[in-house]
This record gives sequence, structure tokens and C-alpha cells, in this order.
Amino acid sequence: EVQLLESGGGLVQSGGSLRLSCAASGFTFNNYALTWVRQAPGKGLEWVSTITGRGSNIYYTDSVKGRFTFSRDNSRNTLYLQMNNLRAEDTAIYYCARGSSDYYNAFDFWGQGTMVTVSS
Amino acid sequence: EIVLTQSPGTLSLSPGEGATLSCRASLSVTGTYLAWYQQKPGQPPRVLIYGASSRATGIPDRFSGSGSGTDFTLTISRLEPEDFAVYYCQHYGSSPPKWTFGQGTKVEMK
Repeated sequence: EVQLLESGGGLVQSGGSLRLSCAASGFTFNNYALTWVRQAPGKGLEWVSTITGRGSNIYYTDSVKGRFTFSRDNSRNTLYLQMNNLRAEDTAIYYCARGSSDYYNAFDFWGQGTMVTVSS
Repeated sequence: EIVLTQSPGTLSLSPGEGATLSCRASLSVTGTYLAWYQQKPGQPPRVLIYGASSRATGIPDRFSGSGSGTDFTLTISRLEPEDFAVYYCQHYGSSPPKWTFGQGTKVEMK
């Protein structure tokens, strides 16, 4: 069974840092691109960042470039999102999601999410 | 940059009725990379449709997708109580890689 389990969310002051993790199981981890998608309270979904299977390519949405760093440890089946210089507008539930080539890069499995609150 | 605009914002319907949800892209896109998701309160999204018209594994056949170019549609033939939720369309663009979501359509019970 595919599982994605996020952790590391919490309350942080504006300008602070937080590191999110996503532990994966139930599939061959390094065969898949993985993604962070966030959802501000009461709002829609926003793509944040994607890392390819071997970690050789990483893509970011413009609003987090230079502040967020996405990495993966294929020996631990774990993803990391280092978030620096956090802003109030980064407040959201952060989901990790698996990209599927069978589904033409749609996201076929999602974690339950971890909440990040940035206080100003 | 592609913008996806979903309409209507909210659809008020009764169980058993049909639902038609629209997703319009600001530029013509490849339907291959157009997906639809369902999200219920307190849950992560679930993929329903990929490639504009293919149902994901385990998705009932009352859900169908269609469209091409700039106009895509998700149709729910007969609403079941568990179908009342928010629906998002999403597009993957490759140069550079970027995933874009529409703002969502809420299907609520009348």
C-alpha cells in the first residue's frame, strides 16, 4: 500500500525557518518524482515544488524560489522541504504527492498533509 | 503562463442530478496533461481523471472527462451523496515543468 506521511509543520514567526519531511512507503521510491502542494486555509491548491526520482532536477514555483529547498534521501525513502525566510502567505497545509507517469504527471497518491502557520 | 479558470464557483444540486463542471485554459493546452481531482473537507485531493478523459483506478464510471484545446469538462452523470465536494482541474506544462491548478468548483447539496 502506497503511503506518504508528512511531518514537521507547526507555528513559526515571520522570517523563521521550518523543515518538513515526507516519509514514503509501499513503492519503489527512487522511481518516482515527488511534489509538495500547499493549500492556504479555505483556499485552493497550489503547486510548490517537484523533485525528480534521482533528485537531479528540482522545480519551484516562483514565490518560493530562493527561500525553499527541496531534497530527497533515497536511502531513507524520505523527502525534505527546508523553508527559510517564511512569510504569512506561506501559511497552509503542505501535502506531499506522488507524480505518476502512467497518469501523465498527475498526482496519484497524496499524504494527509502537515499544517504550517506563519505568524506576523 | 497558463491560467485555469473553473466555473461555476459553486453548483447547488440534489442527489441523482447530473453535474457539469468547466475548466477553461488561458492558452491552448495538451489534453494529455489535464487532470481532475476531488477534495472532501479534511482530506487530501484524490485524482479522478487524467489525460482529460481517462478515469483513474477505482473511479466510478459516473465520472467522465472531455475536452480539448482551452475547454475541458468534468461530468458527473448522477450525483451520489459522497460526490458533494470541491473539484479542481490541473494542468502540467513541461517548459519549464510547472503544475497549475484551477481555483475549484464546489458541488454542494441543494
